[in-house]
Amino acid sequence: DAGVTQSPTHLIKTRGQQVTLRCSPKSGHDTVSWYQQALGQGPQFIFQYYEEEERQRGNFPDRFSGHQFPNYSSELNVNALLLGDSALYLCASSFMGQGWADTQYFGPGTRLTVL
Amino acid sequence: AQSVTQLGSHVSVSEGALVLLRCNYSSSVPPYLFWYVQYPNQGLQLLLKYTTGATLVKGINGFEAEFKKSETSFHLTKPSAHMSDAAEYFCAVSASGGYQKVTFGTGTKLQVIP
Repeated sequence: DAGVTQSPTHLIKTRGQQVTLRCSPKSGHDTVSWYQQALGQGPQFIFQYYEEEERQRGNFPDRFSGHQFPNYSSELNVNALLLGDSALYLCASSFMGQGWADTQYFGPGTRLTVL
Repeated sequence: AQSVTQLGSHVSVSEGALVLLRCNYSSSVPPYLFWYVQYPNQGLQLLLKYTTGATLVKGINGFEAEFKKSETSFHLTKPSAHMSDAAEYFCAVSASGGYQKVTFGTGTKLQVIP
């Protein structure tokens, strides 16, 4: 049973560029959440997708956007990259059964470096 | 609104000694509580979770945690530390039910001394 997968593993971009990160949820899961983890910090919630719609959003600017596809996979897009966007981006998946989301399982993350 | 405070960004224990990592939470609704472990350059792995029912929760690798509502705490313990327990540990809280926005603490780095 494949767990949560993310691609790419590492990415280097320059300021002002745009980046797309990808996530495939664990088999049987239908909800995907994205987190940003800066060095030495805990993960910060960016947003959550269910049924191809953004359901919740954390305190992140509109430069951060996402998408969920019919197969439940998801993308995180970041426009106009800033140095401060350098971080580990974590994807987590869960199952929205019985009207609430069960435990989130995390992928290995994508390490984004902005130069 | 919800928040988590982890007391001690670094904790050192000797191999075989008790591990105690402290977590206090704040939540305006009944919380779900989690402990995750993160090894270097890896994602987060769920150790254990509390949703409802029994307040003493057992997890993987011999860890357990007790939900104490009156103290708003969810401390993580393990009777005997092993070298492989050296990692960073995150306590997290979410509101029960609905879409699950998880709020994490800042983490506690556990060092195990041989």
